[in-house]
Amino acid sequence: GNSVTQMEGPVTLSEEAFLTINCTYTATGYPSLFWYVQYPGEGLQLLLKATKADDKGSNKGFEATYRKETTSFHLEKGSVQVSDSAVYFCALKTEYGNKLVFGAGTILRVKS
Amino acid sequence: EAQVTQNPRYLITVTGKKLTVTCSQNMNHEYMSWYRQDPGLGLRQIYYSMNVEVTDKGDVPEGYKVSRKEKRNFPLILESPSPNQTSLYFCASRGTWRGETQYFGPGTRLLVL
Repeated sequence: GNSVTQMEGPVTLSEEAFLTINCTYTATGYPSLFWYVQYPGEGLQLLLKATKADDKGSNKGFEATYRKETTSFHLEKGSVQVSDSAVYFCALKTEYGNKLVFGAGTILRVKS
Repeated sequence: EAQVTQNPRYLITVTGKKLTVTCSQNMNHEYMSWYRQDPGLGLRQIYYSMNVEVTDKGDVPEGYKVSRKEKRNFPLILESPSPNQTSLYFCASRGTWRGETQYFGPGTRLLVL
């Protein structure tokens, strides 16, 4: 079946450090891939997305590249801020489906 | 402003007492769904609806009901809540284009005693 695996957290970084959160997926066909962010006490917000292989999604300094050969969609940011502390979810939507399949989420804590 | 609203945001109830969590969207989206979020499990889909009067089960539908009488509303009903339904619930909506963004409500935190 379709599934998403994220690296376990929490991930704790100092301000201005480089961030990578790994995400790999299993899906048939050509899924669309997403990263959502959940700030404390809030709902999920779309951070970035990619709808086909080799696409790069980017937003707010975050980037992720859709790698079909490695079935991965790793999230990166060059210099994190305290305000980036949140839970990050990787998700996929299959080509002809409507449901989002989520990973378990990765907690990111950034210290000043 | 495009948004998905949920009410209530917080709810404490007792086992067996029927409750309804409302969800409304103002984007004229066809597709709406309910998720529950539990630690270590991410978000799991409970029910979804492709349009008015069209609903179907997600991955964890047991103990829940939904209805879609109007396009903008998609309430979640717990006929007889149990403690294992204590969770954080999210409603979401989106249009039907393949790459379209799914919008989430702010969440409803439910505690069943």
